[in-house]
This record gives sequence, C-alpha cells and structure tokens, in this order.
Amino acid sequence: NAGVTQTPKFQVLKTGQSMTLQCAQDMNHNSMYWYRQDPGMGLRLIYYSASEGTTDKGEVPNGYNVSRLNKREFSLRLESAAPSQTSVYFCASRGWDQPQHFGDGTRLSIL
Amino acid sequence: GEDVEQSLFLSVREGDSSVINCTYTDSSSTYLYWYKQEPGAGLQLLTYIFSNMDMKQDQRLTVLLNKKDKHLSLRIADTQTGDSAIYFCAERPNTGNQFYFGTGTSLTVIP
Repeated sequence: NAGVTQTPKFQVLKTGQSMTLQCAQDMNHNSMYWYRQDPGMGLRLIYYSASEGTTDKGEVPNGYNVSRLNKREFSLRLESAAPSQTSVYFCASRGWDQPQHFGDGTRLSIL
Repeated sequence: GEDVEQSLFLSVREGDSSVINCTYTDSSSTYLYWYKQEPGAGLQLLTYIFSNMDMKQDQRLTVLLNKKDKHLSLRIADTQTGDSAIYFCAERPNTGNQFYFGTGTSLTVIP
C-alpha cells in the first residue's frame, strides 16, 4: 500500500500563478484533509472532506479551493498564489473513527 | 475551535527519559493523539488514547492523561538519537471530523 500520496513534492511559483496540489489515498478512507505547516504554528486546517461529495472550510481557507474528485482523490488549488502561501502542505486521510494518515508533504515557495 | 498547547523545545541526554507535555480544552469525550515528524517528512502516528483511559503503554512510549487538568503527556523511555524529531499532540472531539494540533515540541537528543 502506498498510503497517502502527494504530488508534487516541491514547487516554486511566481506571485499570481495558479497551481493544483494533488492528493490520493488507497486505504478506502472516507475523510480527507488539507493542512499547511508554518514554523511555530503547527498544522492549520485549510479544508476537509468528511465524505465523497462534501467539503468544508477549516481554519485558514482564504485563497484556496478544493475538489473531492472521487473517494480516492482530494485536490487543493491556489488560483492566484501569494508569498504568504509559501508553506509546507500536508494531505491526510482517515477511516471512520480512526487516526489520520499523512502524506509526505508538498514544499511550496512563492516568489 | 479547540486549543491545544505544547512547549516548543525539549533537550535530553541519550539514555534518559523524555516527557513531552500537552494541554487541551473542552470536549468531555475526545481522542488524543501523538504524532512524530522527522525532518523533511510527514507526520507519523505514534499512539493515541481515548479520554476514558488514564494511561496507555506501547514499548518505550507511555501516554498519561489527566482528564481533570486536561493534560496529556508522552514519555519516551531510554531516549535515543533517532528520537530527535518534532512531536505533535492532537485532539479530535468524539462527535467531530476536525483534528486540532498543537504547535509541536522539537525534541533534541544529546549524545
């Protein structure tokens, strides 16, 4: 099992560019999550999807959109990247009443 | 949302025990988790406990929960250099889908 797979692992963008971060899980989990990690701030929830077909805002959703494409995939889109969105992005998934499993992260720099 | 707090740094000597502390707010019924993050990697689940338990032990790891004070600790016995990492405490209320993370405690093990 691959678990939670995130692509790309690294990306550099210019301010104003757009991009989509991809996440896929092969554990048949219902719930999927997107976090950002910044120094000294722990993990902050951007969006989550409790089940296929639903998405909800987390703590810091501004500047982001998400799509739960199917049960396996949950993508995060930056429509117009800003330097404040420079961060490490983590995707996670979990089954019912289970802990979260995390991907290895996407390191995103916006110049 | 919930508020989960941890101290930022801890240093211990190799072979000693490490104790990492966490406090959380509210929720009479909740799950509490400990994750480990090594440099450049995602979060790895170490252990978790439900709030009706006082203690859980798993090899070198011991989790203690003081429900009255809403205080959670992770003890690592015989700490090794490979234990150097960031440790995150997280809470998930039993009725919810969201996880609330602390800022993480950076553990440095001195040889």
